[in-house]
Amino acid sequence: ILNVEQSPQSLHVQEGDSTNFTCSFPSSNFYALHWYRWETAKSPEALFVMTLNGDEKKKGRISATLNTKEGYSYLYIKGSQPEDSATYLCASPYGNNRLAFGKGNQVVVIP
Amino acid sequence: SAVISQKPSRDICQRGTSLTIQCQVDSQVTMMFWYRQQPGQSLTLIATANQGSEATYESGFVIDKFPISRPNLTFSTLTVSNMSPEDSSIYLCSVGPSSYNEQFFGPGTRLTVL
Repeated sequence: ILNVEQSPQSLHVQEGDSTNFTCSFPSSNFYALHWYRWETAKSPEALFVMTLNGDEKKKGRISATLNTKEGYSYLYIKGSQPEDSATYLCASPYGNNRLAFGKGNQVVVIP
Repeated sequence: SAVISQKPSRDICQRGTSLTIQCQVDSQVTMMFWYRQQPGQSLTLIATANQGSEATYESGFVIDKFPISRPNLTFSTLTVSNMSPEDSSIYLCSVGPSSYNEQFFGPGTRLTVL
């Protein structure tokens, strides 16, 4: 199983501030890198599936970058809002659509 | 996309008992996946449930502890057998077409074992 690490594990952000966090994954035999957003008592929802080195994807105020050569991805939240409070999960596939997840970045936006 | 429902949404169980979790998908899918997240840990794959064949278990998980049924292409169950407090977790089922596409998850079953 792949070793996927996320940092920091938790962070508190003032409303309106921007923040970012990191996902690192094995760079060998890379398939793709998934980002999910998981709110309490809800289903994890996909944010991005990234496959190309240097790729950058954006959804509203959230964006992500990918470096497959060095094995890391950054997720950025611009102008954080209380509704951004959630756990952000990254995951790397390891065959037959199985995903290895990191422990997540728990974000709390303080109004 | 896929819409997935799970039952129960949460339960509190006594040690030594078993709980069966149901997962229903609104479309036919070949593979369904069962994950769990223990407190403070990452979401971890338990097994892949294929219709018409036995489930494939990940290292550290065995059929006697987590028997899985997959009677048709839209439904699966996971049983957590002979529970202990270490089984207290959130259990999720998911579906997804390939590693290059997003997976869709159920809302989870939050299990507490006393």
